[in-house]
Amino acid sequence: QVQLVQSGAEVKKPGASVKVSCKASGYNFKTYAINWVRQAPGQGLEWMGWISPNNGNTNYAQNFQGRVTMTTDTSTTTAYMELRSLTSDDTAVYYCAREDFSGYDFYSWGQGTLVIVSS
Amino acid sequence: EIVMTQFPLSLPVTPGEPASISCRSSQSLLQSNGYNYLDWYVQKPGHSPQLLIYLGSTRAPGVPDRFSGSGSGTDFTLKISRVEAEDVGVYYCMYALLSPLFGPGTKVEI
Repeated sequence: QVQLVQSGAEVKKPGASVKVSCKASGYNFKTYAINWVRQAPGQGLEWMGWISPNNGNTNYAQNFQGRVTMTTDTSTTTAYMELRSLTSDDTAVYYCAREDFSGYDFYSWGQGTLVIVSS
Repeated sequence: EIVMTQFPLSLPVTPGEPASISCRSSQSLLQSNGYNYLDWYVQKPGHSPQLLIYLGSTRAPGVPDRFSGSGSGTDFTLKISRVEAEDVGVYYCMYALLSPLFGPGTKVEI
C-alpha cells in the first residue's frame, strides 16, 4: 500500500532554513507528483506546490516562490521541501501528499512534520 | 484569483441526522471536459486530511456511501445522510486544479 513517511519535528530560528523529507513506498515513485501542504496552528490548509519525480518539474504557489525549493531523490524514493528565510509565520505542520485520480486529488498523505520557528 | 468560501463555518450535528455543508467559488470550477474540479476533505483531530470526494461528486475509495457531493460551476454541497460520531472534524472544500486552494473549513461537532 502507498505510504508517505515524513521526517521528524524541527525547531528553527528566524532567518534559518528547514528541509523536510517525505519517504514514499508502495508504488512507482516516478509516476506521481508529490505535493506539499502546510497548516499553521489552529488554521486551515495551504497548498505550497508540487514536484514531479519523473523529470523534476515543479510548480510553486505564488506565496512561496523564491523561498521554497522542492526536490526528489529517485534512488531513495524521497521527496524534499526546503523553505528558506523562516519567520514565525512559517510555524506550521507541513504535509506531503501524492497526486491521484484527476491530478490534484490528494488521496495519500504523510503524517505531517511540525516546524517551529522561534528565537 | 479564485476565492473559496464555505458555510456554515461551524455545524453542530446529531448522530443519525443528516448534515450539509456548502462551498462556493468565485469562479466556475467547471472545465471544458465537463468535470468540476472540486474536492472535499475531512481532517479529524490529530490526523492528516482525508480525501472524501473528488471531481465534485466521486467518492474516494473506502469512503462510506453516506457521504455525497453535488453541485456544478460555483456552488457545491457535501451531504452526510446520517451523521455518525466518527464524522466529527473539519471539512474543507478545495479547488483542485493548477493552483489548488482550500476553503476556510467547516468544523463539524456533535
